[in-house]
Formats: sequence, structure tokens, C-alpha cells
Amino acid sequence: DIQMTQSPSPLSASVGDRVTITCQASQDIKNYLNWYQHKPGRAPKLLIYDASNLQPGVPSRFSGSGSGTDFTFTISSLRPEDVATYYCQQYDNLPSRTFGPGTKVEIK
Amino acid sequence: QVQLVQSGAEVKKPGASVKVSCKASGYIFSSFPINWVRQAPGQGLEWMGWIGVYNGNTQYAEKFQGRVTMTIDTSTDTAYMELRSLRSDDTAVYYCAREVVVPALWFDPWGQGTLVTVSS
Repeated sequence: DIQMTQSPSPLSASVGDRVTITCQASQDIKNYLNWYQHKPGRAPKLLIYDASNLQPGVPSRFSGSGSGTDFTFTISSLRPEDVATYYCQQYDNLPSRTFGPGTKVEIK
Repeated sequence: QVQLVQSGAEVKKPGASVKVSCKASGYIFSSFPINWVRQAPGQGLEWMGWIGVYNGNTQYAEKFQGRVTMTIDTSTDTAYMELRSLRSDDTAVYYCAREVVVPALWFDPWGQGTLVTVSS
């Protein structure tokens, strides 16, 4: 099974900061990686698919990059409404659609 | 709009079973698989399994094999997830999510979540 790791967690930053989260897969998953935002009491929301494609309607301050085993998720300028936990998800190793452990983003 | 609406919160005793429903609307139900994901208190998202709505095929995470059954009722556009032999560490919010496969694979939308509490 593919294992996913994320760092850091938690992450504390100031409004306006550039925030970067990394996700690492235990083996090559090509670009088969999604990023979700999960706020307490809400359903998770897809932000990025195929490692770097922004889901329509998602603000452009969110971006993703990477391929193979190393991926990055960036918020270019942190806003208060971005407080959430962010998860990566791999779908190369079907049927498993494994999530990373999550990165909780907080405002300093 | 595309929507998944789940059944309400449940409280169960250890050893019991729970069956959570997920009613779809706003799209052709048989065209998209449904996944089930759970989140235990203070923990992350955990993928439980997948059901192909078109043919009823299922694939379960190894951790839940033998204890979970996912089914569908195409007459009511509803998916179900039954978990048996409940333990206290099955206390979690359970989500259903529609799986989109073109142009890539992702989950969208998700249901609102169903809290299952296992307690004696």
C-alpha cells in the first residue's frame, strides 16, 4: 500500500503570509494527487486535482505542484477564511484512494 | 444542484451494527461511483471503500474487509454503508462522496456527514 505523509502539522502563519504544505508518497504516483480543504463541521472541498489543476471556482491564491513522490500545496497570501485542515489524496494505487494525515493551518 | 444528503446521527452499543444512507440528487446516480470516508475525533480522513453504482461492484479498504458492506438502491438513488461489530474506535463522522473520474479522479460533492457514536 502507498503511504502518504504531510508536513508540517500544524502550521501557524500570519494573514498575508505565503504558506506551503508538502505531501510525500512512499512510491511514484505520477501526478495522481488531489488536495482538499476541510473545515470543522463542513464537508471536505476539492481544491486541486492532478497535482496542479485548480478546481473551477477555487481562488487563485491556491496552487499545487509536483509529480512522482513529492508534492507541494501553496496558499500565496493566507486569509482568515483559509483556516482549515488540508489533505492530499493519492489515486494511483487503486482501488485505494488514500489520504495523507492532514495539515492544520492556523492564524498566528 | 448536485447533492448528497446523509441520514442522521446514530448512537450504538459495542458489537452492534449501523447503516448510514446517502441520497443523491441533481445528477444521473448510476453514472458515478460512491466512496465512503470517515473521520474519527482528532484524526484525519480515512478512505473506507468504493461502490460502482452502475453494477454494484465494491472495493473495500483492507482494514474494513469483513466488517463493512456498501450497497445501492437505484430506485431511490441512495447508497448505504453498513458497519458491523462496532467498537468504540468506530466513533467517527462518516461521509459519502461522489467519485468523478473524468478528466481525473476526485471526490465531489461530499455528503454533510453522519456522526456515529459507539458507547456502552
